[in-house]
Amino acid sequence: KNQVEQSPQSLIILEGKNCTLQCNYTVSPFSNLRWYKQDTGRGPVSLTIMTFSENTKSNGRYTATLDADTKQSSLHITASQLSDSASYICVVPLRAGNMLTFGGGTRLMVKP
Amino acid sequence: NAGVMQNPRHLVRRRGQEARLRCSPMKGHSHVYWYRQLPEEGLKFMVYLQKENIIDESGMPKERFSAEFPKEGPSILRIQQVVRGDSAAYFCASSQSGGYMNTEAFFGQGTRLTVV
Repeated sequence: KNQVEQSPQSLIILEGKNCTLQCNYTVSPFSNLRWYKQDTGRGPVSLTIMTFSENTKSNGRYTATLDADTKQSSLHITASQLSDSASYICVVPLRAGNMLTFGGGTRLMVKP
Repeated sequence: NAGVMQNPRHLVRRRGQEARLRCSPMKGHSHVYWYRQLPEEGLKFMVYLQKENIIDESGMPKERFSAEFPKEGPSILRIQQVVRGDSAAYFCASSQSGGYMNTEAFFGQGTRLTVV
């Protein structure tokens, strides 16, 4: 069954600290993996797209890693800010790209 | 270049009424996707459309739900005879080319449907 599982479900950290979010997927065949940020009440915004051949990709304070062998990805947030409080969603295309399979997301709360 | 525009942002309907949700894709995008997000849950695929064609509707409920993307105008997600279980946020995304093979998909802000 094609699935995307994320952990932890929720996370609270202090401003300035780092954190790492995990994503395991069983979607096959694999084409790419995406991380989105969704603020409360708003639509998802893309952070990174990683293809099969990419191991690490950075976007500012966000760094995503991908291990296609173990089917795992992580999103590392450095020096967290209050504005990082959001849901972070791991997404993998399914069925040759017509449908995105969404993980349940990790709800991150950054406290001052 | 405006982003994906959805309207209305909030919609309240009584049980049994019809709900029409609109999505205008980004300029130059001819591929539209609709997703539903129930409270405290992830997004679930509903339907994928190109201009005047439904490409994949495997996520659409069999009854009461329909979608279109006419040659001119926005894409419409239509829910007939709404029930309380239809209350959710409905998101639209658009992309420039077909499929998601390394193609960026941009999301709108969603329409929050409340059925009372």
